Amino acid sequence: EPEVTQTPSHQVTQMGQEVILRCVPISNHLYFYWYRQILGQKVEFLVSFYNNEISEKSEIFDDQFSVERPDGSNFTLKIRSTKLEDSAMYFCASSPQGAGGELFFGEGSRLTVL
Amino acid sequence: QKEVEQNSGPLSVPEGAIASLNCTYSDRGSQSFFWYRQYSGKSPELIMFIYSNGDKEDGRFTAQLNKASQYVSLLIRDSQPSDSATYLCAVKGNTDKLIFGTGTRLQVFP
Repeated sequence: EPEVTQTPSHQVTQMGQEVILRCVPISNHLYFYWYRQILGQKVEFLVSFYNNEISEKSEIFDDQFSVERPDGSNFTLKIRSTKLEDSAMYFCASSPQGAGGELFFGEGSRLTVL
Repeated sequence: QKEVEQNSGPLSVPEGAIASLNCTYSDRGSQSFFWYRQYSGKSPELIMFIYSNGDKEDGRFTAQLNKASQYVSLLIRDSQPSDSATYLCAVKGNTDKLIFGTGTRLQVFP
């Protein structure tokens, strides 16, 4: 069964460092998302991406964040200068029809900022 | 601020009982409603979605939607220990994103 894959599964970084989280969405899906979940808290929307551009971003998704679909298969989230409060599980999701249908989530990338 | 509210639980039910999970939302323009299950340390997986007022049944699961009361619920019949997880209510408004509640932790004991 097709699935969304994410790498790395866990990354530890020092505050101020740049981090790139990678995702391979399901191949025929057109809509891509990043969500994050701080330990013990709710799943929060970061950004949605469709037709090679950002369709919506949350207040969390400030200038330190960026997304890219560099090669037609990968979908990346870059955090330019990590802060302690960026420590969270980052989930990539994809969908064939947008958030009105099922989102297929990857297993997540746990980011720990020291 | 558009909110989705859930009781965090835990909700403890014996095996074989009906578990009832509830969710309220603030945005009257919300269009689509979802229940996701999340096991500890894992990603959310879709259990059910519902778009129209009323009940929708899928196996042991029934989703109920009341847009006038801005209320969504999930019933799990014949609860099993394997149903023990956090159940996330998620709502889509008129933009392409889901807003999640904090989730209700369900514990099914043998």
